[in-house]
Parts: sequence; structure tokens; C-alpha cells
Amino acid sequence: DAKTTQPNSMESNEEEPVHLPCNHSTISGTDYIHWYRQLPSQGPEYVIHGLTSNVNNRMASLAIAEDRKSSTLILHRATLRDAAVYYCILRAPTSGTYKYIFGTGTRLKVLA
Amino acid sequence: NAGVTQTPKFQVLKTGQSMTLQCAQDMNHEYMSWYRQDPGMGLRLIHYSVGAGITDQGEVPNGYNVSRSTTEDFPLRLLSAAPSQTSVYFCASGGHHGTGELFFGEGSRLTVL
Repeated sequence: DAKTTQPNSMESNEEEPVHLPCNHSTISGTDYIHWYRQLPSQGPEYVIHGLTSNVNNRMASLAIAEDRKSSTLILHRATLRDAAVYYCILRAPTSGTYKYIFGTGTRLKVLA
Repeated sequence: NAGVTQTPKFQVLKTGQSMTLQCAQDMNHEYMSWYRQDPGMGLRLIHYSVGAGITDQGEVPNGYNVSRSTTEDFPLRLLSAAPSQTSVYFCASGGHHGTGELFFGEGSRLTVL
């Protein structure tokens, strides 16, 4: 199963951009890159996903390296409500494996 | 929209007791899974299912049983609870394909004394 590697923690000042990295060097050609976040005392929630091209939505942007071995979740203006654990996972639609491994994620601390 | 519903939200068990954590989804998702999250840790996959009658093991399956008799329900059974199973349990469901997002329940906090 393809695995991801993320820093344990990061800090950001409020209203500044945050770049959360994820390495997935063993990614296969059909793996989608998904990001989820978990607010305190809640279940994880979907943030964004992509395959090859960069993606934007109302919550964040996802920048995917050309070789797809890494990606970066971008929060354009961090707020205190963005303090959470962010998980990067890989999902494969046709590989026959459905072990979506979350790992320990990156704990983002936002400073006022 | 109900989404993914987990019951109970809280449960205290004594060592050796058995119980079932219930998970139901109303989105007609083929994929369902159970995770556990220990304090300060990430989520670890226990079991998952890609459809009725099909289940498979995740990262930490020992001590847990699952079955999938309907698309909607995916119960997690602890046959003989141990203190090491004290954790918060999350159920998730999603489309069969990698493009779809996973939807999580609110969690079930289990304490085994």
C-alpha cells in the first residue's frame, strides 16, 4: 500500500498563508491524493483531492508536483478555526486495494 | 441529511464484556470502514468493506469482528473487551472509487476498565 509522510506539526500566524507538505514517493499512476482535516473532538472532514493538476476549492488549494511524488495543501489565509490535524492519504479507484491509511498527520497550530 | 450515524457515542465496559458499535449510512455508499484513534494519535484502520458480504482487515484488526449484511450498516463487534481497546472509534463511508470523499461519523468513545 502506498504510504504518505507528513511533518508532525507546523505553526502559522493568523491571516498568513500555510503550506502543508506531503510526500508520497511510492504513489501509483491511478492514486488520487486526498486531504482531510480533523478539528478537535470531531471526526475527520474532507478538504480537497486531486490526481495530476492543481486544484482549488473554497477551503484550500492543492499543488501536486509534476512527478506526483509530493503535494502541498495551501491554506491561503489561516484562521484560528483552521487549527486542526491535517491528513494526506492516497485513494486508488481501480487497484483493488481499499486500505486508506491516514497516518498521524500534521498538527497545525495557528497563532493569533 | 443523516450521513454517517454512529451509536452509542459513549460506552464504558468492563474487561471481558462484549459489545457492538453500530454504524449506518444513508448515502448508498459501497465502501465503509472503521478506524480507531488513541489519545494524541492518528487514525488506524481496523476493518473495511467494499460492499454487502465483503469485508477485509485493516492495520489493526485483532480483537474486532465485522460483517456487512446490508449496504447501509457496518457494525463493529468487540467479543471480549480489553483495556487496550479504550479509544475513540470512527466509522467512515464513501464511494467505491478513489475520486469520492470519505464521510465520517462523529465517533464513539469507548472506555474499557
